[in-house]
Amino acid sequence: EAQVTQNPRYLITVTGKKLTVTCSQNMNHEYMSWYRQDPGLGLRQIYYSMNVEVTDKGDVPEGYKVSRKEKRNFPLILESPSPNQTSLYFCASSFSGQGGARAFFGQGTRLTVV
Amino acid sequence: AQKVTQAQTEISVVEKEDVTLDCVYETRDTTYYLFWYKQPPSGELVFLIRRNSFDEQNEISGRYSWNFQKSTSSFNFTITASQVVDSAVYFCALSRPNSGYSTLTFGKGTMLLVSP
Repeated sequence: EAQVTQNPRYLITVTGKKLTVTCSQNMNHEYMSWYRQDPGLGLRQIYYSMNVEVTDKGDVPEGYKVSRKEKRNFPLILESPSPNQTSLYFCASSFSGQGGARAFFGQGTRLTVV
Repeated sequence: AQKVTQAQTEISVVEKEDVTLDCVYETRDTTYYLFWYKQPPSGELVFLIRRNSFDEQNEISGRYSWNFQKSTSSFNFTITASQVVDSAVYFCALSRPNSGYSTLTFGKGTMLLVSP
């Protein structure tokens, strides 16, 4: 089954404690991206990756890091989380080609930083 | 710069009413894709439709229909005979060119509440 898998689904952590949210896709897509969703703001792009070892900033990259060492994985790293990073996070894997373009989303990770 | 505007923050209707969710977009690109996603209370994002910029035909899928008008940069979504299960947040989104059109700029969403 084609899917994007995020872990964990829920996470409560304390300010300053480094954490990683994992994202994996099994569709061999070149593009992967991270979004955060906040009430009244919709989804905003954090980072995206065009392929292995190629990443770029989205609209709200401050406080986040990413890496793309393998095509299937795109972890989101918060090295020193702060309460303003409390949010719902979505990973997406996407393709673009003759058939058009489309993003497939993971189930979301609800992060609370206290 | 790209922008997607969903001016309706929240809409409340009674079951069986028709409802239209508005989406206006801004882009300088001639090639782009527009999307609608549904986010039910469970939180996942459910893909509803994709439309490319060269195809202005309206589309109907069951009770759902979409009206794409390039002249007004709008991509509106109508639910006919709404049902309680349609209650959700709906997002309109526009493809970003710097990622092969595959990553997205989202609107802020419209929360639809359908009451019995």
